[in-house]
This record gives sequence, structure tokens and C-alpha cells, in this order.
Amino acid sequence: QKEVEQNSGPLSVPEGAIASLNCTYSDRGSQSFFWYRQYSGKSPELIMFIYSNGDKEDGRFTAQLNKASQYVSLLIRDSQPSDSATYLCAVNSGYSTLTFGKGTMLLVSP
Amino acid sequence: EAGVAQSPRYKIIEKRQSVAFWCNPISGHATLYWYQQILGQGPKLLIQFQNNGVVDDSQLPKDRFSAERLKGVDSTLKIQPAKLEDSAVYLCASSSAENTEAFFGQGTRLTVV
Repeated sequence: QKEVEQNSGPLSVPEGAIASLNCTYSDRGSQSFFWYRQYSGKSPELIMFIYSNGDKEDGRFTAQLNKASQYVSLLIRDSQPSDSATYLCAVNSGYSTLTFGKGTMLLVSP
Repeated sequence: EAGVAQSPRYKIIEKRQSVAFWCNPISGHATLYWYQQILGQGPKLLIQFQNNGVVDDSQLPKDRFSAERLKGVDSTLKIQPAKLEDSAVYLCASSSAENTEAFFGQGTRLTVV
């Protein structure tokens, strides 16, 4: 059974701070990694994806992948109240099965 | 480009009744997923199609849930008979190829009373 683990939170940060969201996965054969944002009552929307070890930056978001440690993270710089949502980590293992973690709730206070 | 379309948006049924959900993926997307999301939890994969073939249905409760994908495009998910614990949001997603990002529809919120 492929597992994707996330701290459920909530993670509370003040506006303007860096939010750090973490995710670990069990399947060493995992090949691609995704971060989705989900606002309450809405469906998940893709923020970033990463396939290779290292960092990938897109605006205020940075995804970090360490396959040896089976660890992927998402950093949000200059956090805004509009970033308050649940962040879902998803892992794709070879045969396209996309497995989600339970999500981390982020609260950004003004 | 049109997104993933799902219907209905909301459905309330009594336990032991049947219900069906419909999904139309993004045009050209070969992979289609059905997920169940219970309040406060992450999406749980029910079934994954590659064109009109099933890739993974290991978590689909086959005694009551069924799904099909006609001609590798639209898909329907059916529950018969429904139980109280089936109350959840049912999300359909599609992706263009293996290991690529999936895009979600708006979901169907099912309440079983």
C-alpha cells in the first residue's frame, strides 16, 4: 500500500512569513510529485509539480525533492491571507496511480 | 480549453438508494480518475482508467460501486445501494499521460440520509 504522509496542521504563520509544508512517501519507485491547493468547499488545484531532485521555483512557491530521503516539501514565501487553504501532496508511482496525502491546513494571519 | 465537467453538483439520497455521477474529461486526456474525498481527508482513489481500460480499482468497493468509461471519453460512477458512509465529495480528474499532472472537476457532493 503506497503511503503519503503529511502533518494535518493547522500550520499558522503571520502574513509575510515563509510557510513550509512537508510530505513523505513510502514508495521508492515514485517518479513525480505534485502539490495541490484546496480551498474549503472547492476541488484541488495544481500549484506545482517536480520530477527531479533539488529545488523548483515558481513565483512565491518553491518545491523541494529529496528522493533518497523520500521527502518533498513546498515553501511559500511572503505568505498572504489568500494562501490560507489545505495543501495536498500527491505522488505518482510508475503506473500513473496518483496517491494523495491527507493534506496540511495552512492559516495565514493578517 | 474546457476543464473537467462533472454532474450533478449536489445529490441527496436515502440509504439503500442508487445514484450515478457523470464525468467528461479534458479533451484528449487518456487518463481518468475517480476519487472519494470525505470531509477533512485527502482524496482517495477509487478507480483509474487509461483510455477505456482499468489501471487500478483496488480501493473500489465492488460490491456496491461500479464505474465505466465509454469509448475512452466520458465516465460514470454508480453506487448501488448507498450507505451512510458514502457521504462524501466525488471528484473526477483527468491527465494527458502517465506521470503528468491531473486536473480536477468541481466534484459532486453526495449526502446519504
